[in-house]
Order: sequence, then structure tokens, then C-alpha cells
Amino acid sequence: GENVEQHPSTLSVQEGDSAVIKCTYSDSASNYFPWYKQELGKGPQLIIDIRSNVGEKKDQRIAVTLNKTAKHFSLHITETQPEDSAVYFCAASRAGGYQKVTFGTGTKLQVIP
Amino acid sequence: KAGVTQTPRYLIKTRGQQVTLSCSPISGHRSVSWYQQTPGQGLQFLFEYFSETQRNKGNFPGRFSGRQFSNSRSEMNVSTLELGDSALYLCASSPVGDSYEQYFGPGTRLTVT
Repeated sequence: GENVEQHPSTLSVQEGDSAVIKCTYSDSASNYFPWYKQELGKGPQLIIDIRSNVGEKKDQRIAVTLNKTAKHFSLHITETQPEDSAVYFCAASRAGGYQKVTFGTGTKLQVIP
Repeated sequence: KAGVTQTPRYLIKTRGQQVTLSCSPISGHRSVSWYQQTPGQGLQFLFEYFSETQRNKGNFPGRFSGRQFSNSRSEMNVSTLELGDSALYLCASSPVGDSYEQYFGPGTRLTVT
């Protein structure tokens, strides 16, 4: 089955700096890679996603890159703000009309004001 | 549009009992997936339902079961509860078709004593 590794497990940055979280996956058939943000007491919230036919996607301060050859994908947050503090999960899934998503282990991001 | 709702939000049960959790997806969404989230194991896929049929199942014992109703609402049941079943149980809904996006509810926190 699919295996998703996520690094680092914790990340502290100064407000205004950039944060990068990296994930690798094992199943070459995976073609959908979402990122979720989970705040305390809440369910994960989809913040950005990328499909295998795209190498990079950006949404305001958040960007995701995908390297299918190396089976790597990364989340980049620029100009971090205290409200970005949360746990971030990467995930990978395969096409086929059904949902079986494999999640990374999460990165706890702390933005220091 | 209302988000995914889960009831109850908190539950305390005794070892050996059974429990039923409920999930109402976003209006129009026909796919519902369930996940178990624990500090040690992260987010683990339980099962996914689409049009009242289980399409996919994770690696959990048969004590974990679910069903989906004609209105897309879903329930999951855990029988003969064990201490290790203490976790946050998350439900996620997805639109029909080829969309892979999942939208999570706030979860049900189950504590087994």
C-alpha cells in the first residue's frame, strides 16, 4: 500500500519568515496530493492540493510543488503569521473514483510573533 | 452551505461497550469516509461509502463497521470497545464524480475507560 513520510515533525519560525514542509510517497500510481491544516479542537481543513499533471500550484501565501520522478511534494508558506500555527498534514491518493487517502504523520508549525 | 457535522462531539464509554457515531455530509456530497486519529498512529483510514455501498476499507478489525443511508448520512459502529479505541473519529465528505477533495467534520472524541 501507499506510504507517506512527512518532515519535519515540528517546525518553529519567526513571524514573516517562510516555512517548508516536505513529503515523500511510495505509490507511483498516486495522482492527488492534498494538504490539510488542523487547528486545536477542529477537523483537518483542506488548504491546497495538486494533481500529478501539475508541477506547482500557488494560492496567495501558500504554494505546493510536486516532483513525480522523485515522488516528493512540498508545502511552502511565505510571510508566516501567528494564525498559521497549526498541525499540517500531507496526503496522497490514487485515481479510481474512490477515496482511500494516506496521510503523513503531521508537522506542528509554530509561528513566533 | 453547511459543513460536515458529526454527533456526538464527545463520548465516554466503558471497555466492552459498543458505540455509534453519526456523520452528516455536506449537502450534495455522496461519498463519506471515516478516519481514526490518534497521537501515536496519526490519521488512519477506516472505510469509505458511496451511494450506500462500502467501496473501500482500511486495516481495522471487524469490530469497526459502518453504513450509509439513502440521504448520504453515515454511521460508524465500534463493538466490544477496547482502551486502544480511544481516539478522535473524523468523517469526511466528497462531491460526486472525479473530485478527490475531502471536507472534514470536527470529529467525535471517544474516550474508553
